[in-house]
Amino acid sequence: KAGVTQTPRYLIKTRGQQVTLSCSPISGHRSVSWYQQTPGQGLQFLFEYFSETQRNKGNFPGRFSGRQFSNSRSEMNVSTLELGDSALYLCASRTSTGQDTQYFGPGTRLTVL
Amino acid sequence: QQQVKQSPQSLIVQKGGISIINCAYENTAFDYFPWYQQFPGKGPALLIAIRPDVSEKKEGRFTISFNKSAKQFSLHIMDSQPGDSATYFCAAFAAGNKLTFGGGTRVLVKP
Repeated sequence: KAGVTQTPRYLIKTRGQQVTLSCSPISGHRSVSWYQQTPGQGLQFLFEYFSETQRNKGNFPGRFSGRQFSNSRSEMNVSTLELGDSALYLCASRTSTGQDTQYFGPGTRLTVL
Repeated sequence: QQQVKQSPQSLIVQKGGISIINCAYENTAFDYFPWYQQFPGKGPALLIAIRPDVSEKKEGRFTISFNKSAKQFSLHIMDSQPGDSATYFCAAFAAGNKLTFGGGTRVLVKP
């Protein structure tokens, strides 16, 4: 089975721009979660989607949003980028919200200049 | 509020030695405790996991010890190898909720 894939792998943007990141979960997995990883804050939960509905949300401003499509693929959008948004954005999938093992993708490295 | 505290932040161990990483949690609703291993440029990969009804779980050179009353759990890496050099994250999960990660431990195994 193919693993979780994320595109693009690297991205450079400037302050004020917006960005959209994509995640394709493992086949059969219906839950997708997004995390932000930075050296200072570690791994922080952004949100989780299951069957196109947001099920959980972390403590991030409204500039961070996401959605999930009927094929379980998910996108994450960050508007009005700030320097502090530079991070590795990780996507993880699992079979359902009640199943605990999450499998991570390689991440998208976002650099905001 | 950091619900899972992990220590140490980094450790150096000689090849063949034992690496020990400790985690403590506060939320008694947590019922699943995975450990993830992350290499530079890669996403975290599930290493081993334990549930609170088990006090110890071993998979190869990796062992989790769990102390429910103390709300602590630890990862032991036996016979550490240079290929084990990575960042290790403990995590905790409560049903219907999100995965909460510890701050991570950078392990360096010297040959």
